[in-house]
Amino acid sequence: AQTVTQSQPEMSVQEAETVTLSCTYDTSESDYYLFWYKQPPSRQMILVIRQEAYKQQNATENRFSVNFQKAAKSFSLKISDSQLGDAAMYFCAYRSYRDDKIIFGKGTRLHILP
Amino acid sequence: DAGITQSPRHKVTETGTPVTLRCHQTENHRYMYWYRQDPGHGLRLIHYSYGVKDTDKGEVSDGYSVSRSKTEDFLLTLESATSSQTSVYFCATRGQGLIYGYTFGSGTRLTVV
Repeated sequence: AQTVTQSQPEMSVQEAETVTLSCTYDTSESDYYLFWYKQPPSRQMILVIRQEAYKQQNATENRFSVNFQKAAKSFSLKISDSQLGDAAMYFCAYRSYRDDKIIFGKGTRLHILP
Repeated sequence: DAGITQSPRHKVTETGTPVTLRCHQTENHRYMYWYRQDPGHGLRLIHYSYGVKDTDKGEVSDGYSVSRSKTEDFLLTLESATSSQTSVYFCATRGQGLIYGYTFGSGTRLTVV
């Protein structure tokens, strides 16, 4: 069974600085999707970025980018120029091509220090 | 976004009572999911549906049942609520393409006292 591990329960970063959230996963499959979701205090789950495993190029969405290392089964999220609105819980998630279900990590709570 | 509405947004109920949470979507998505979110556990899948009357169990399905009689509605029922089912419940949908992640509802905070 696939698993997703986020080893940092909490992190803090100074406003305007860069922070990287770690995620590793375990799978025996070669085709899959990876996602980062953001959950602010409003509780709404927001898709931040996604990566297809067959693409070597790392996905980027404005200030958010990923470092996808397929061999190492690592999928970290980098947030540049951190803003107060980035404070949230961040979830890493995995889905196999062959499965309808998404598996989530336990989350990393990110604090932004003014 | 898929236009997902969860009701109620908050609910307090007593141990042993039945509870039904509703998820309604307006985008005609085939796939719908119920997750629960608990501190230290992230989101865990309870049940999911891949079409009308087609449902399957997730990793934490004990004590829960679901029904989907229409594409737009996916109901989660706690037959006899227990304190361990105090949680935030999220409904999610997914469009047909594999590339898509989920679109989530706003969640229901359920407290069983």
